[in-house]
Amino acid sequence: DGGITQSPKYLFRKEGQNVTLSCEQNLNHDAMYWYRQDPGQGLRLIYYSQIVNDFQKGDIAEGYSVSREKKESFPLTVTSAQKNPTAFYLCASKGGQIGETQYFGPGTRLLVL
Amino acid sequence: AQSVTQLGSHVSVSEGALVLLRCNYSSSVPPYLFWYVQYPNQGLQLLLKYTSAATLVKGINGFEAEFKKSETSFHLTKPSAHMSDAAEYFCAVSGRSNYQLIWGAGTKLIIKP
Repeated sequence: DGGITQSPKYLFRKEGQNVTLSCEQNLNHDAMYWYRQDPGQGLRLIYYSQIVNDFQKGDIAEGYSVSREKKESFPLTVTSAQKNPTAFYLCASKGGQIGETQYFGPGTRLLVL
Repeated sequence: AQSVTQLGSHVSVSEGALVLLRCNYSSSVPPYLFWYVQYPNQGLQLLLKYTSAATLVKGINGFEAEFKKSETSFHLTKPSAHMSDAAEYFCAVSGRSNYQLIWGAGTKLIIKP
């Protein structure tokens, strides 16, 4: 089955710790995205990547980092600089044509211990 | 700047009643418009999208939306609500960049038995 997988489903972070969220897609999409979702605030873009080895900051990139070494993978690291990391994180991917749909993974919920 | 406004953070309807979720957008270029649905603790799923082929767009689960350029609206409707429709619904418009979507804040649909 084609789709997007995110792991883990739940992740716990201790203060001062960096944690990495995984996102993998087998849809052969060029573009990939990371969103943060907080209650009542909709989706906010953290980072996106249009192509391998290239990525751009979104609206709330501070305290986060990404890499795009493979077309299929776009991991997100939540660094210790992100002081309020508790949220639901969604990964998405999209083909290269104008108007194509963004497809979403099932999400990772990050909680702080 | 492009924007999306969803009127009402919560909408409550009785089972069997008409569902109407409102979305207004601003865009200086012909838009692509999307409606997504999100069930609790899950990723987003595409309901339908407008890509200029037809102003009335039919989607999954009996939902449809009508693009009205003069009103800059793309409201989502369903003739008869079902308990399984309880979820959060997001409207989005393509931005100036092919790669980004502008998101509404979401509307939580509550179905009363």
